[in-house]
Amino acid sequence: AQSVTQLGSHVSVSEGALVLLRCNYSSSVPPYLFWYVQYPNQGLQLLLKYTSAATLVKGINGFEAEFKKSETSFHLTKPSAHMSDAAEYFCAVSHSGGYQKVTFGTGTKLQVIP
Amino acid sequence: DVKVTQSSRYLVKRTGEKVFLECVQDMDHENMFWYRQDPGLGLRLIYFSYDVKMKEKGDIPEGYSVSREKKERFSLILESASTNQTSMYLCASSPPKGDRTDTQYFGPGTRLTVL
Repeated sequence: AQSVTQLGSHVSVSEGALVLLRCNYSSSVPPYLFWYVQYPNQGLQLLLKYTSAATLVKGINGFEAEFKKSETSFHLTKPSAHMSDAAEYFCAVSHSGGYQKVTFGTGTKLQVIP
Repeated sequence: DVKVTQSSRYLVKRTGEKVFLECVQDMDHENMFWYRQDPGLGLRLIYFSYDVKMKEKGDIPEGYSVSREKKERFSLILESASTNQTSMYLCASSPPKGDRTDTQYFGPGTRLTVL
């Protein structure tokens, strides 16, 4: 079975500070991992995804994530937070088998303080 | 750009009513999904469909049913709405490649309140 755990339901950073959102996974097969972002009153959109091609994955809006098998982690980072980064972020893992079923984490709300 | 639309952004219904939530995608995607989103619980899969007239139960199907008569449209049905179904409902679709790496594309969500 595949699952993800996001540590911290709320994270606050100052504008310009490093953003670090944590995600640990559990998977019985080589995992495929995703980060999605949800801006207020919107649906989710893909930030980036790990598909085994490279362990450091770059996404949109300056975000990146590093796959670390030894730590079963896929943490999301951004060097310098911007006010527009305030949103909820979801880590997700895709299942083995067909139909592209995905399990999402419980989400982390990022607050950016001016 | 992929577009996934949901019939309503906000909906208020009474306990016991039959509720239909509609989702339409315009990119000829094979796979479509219904999730509910609740604070602290993230997204939980209710049902998904991998082809017209095909459906599979997700993690929390109780109290819900679905219909997929056309490829572009996936409906979620609450047969008899209850207050514990008050939630945000998100529809998503994904391409037909059948690849675990495929992205899901989400609609804006329907916030349903059951009184």
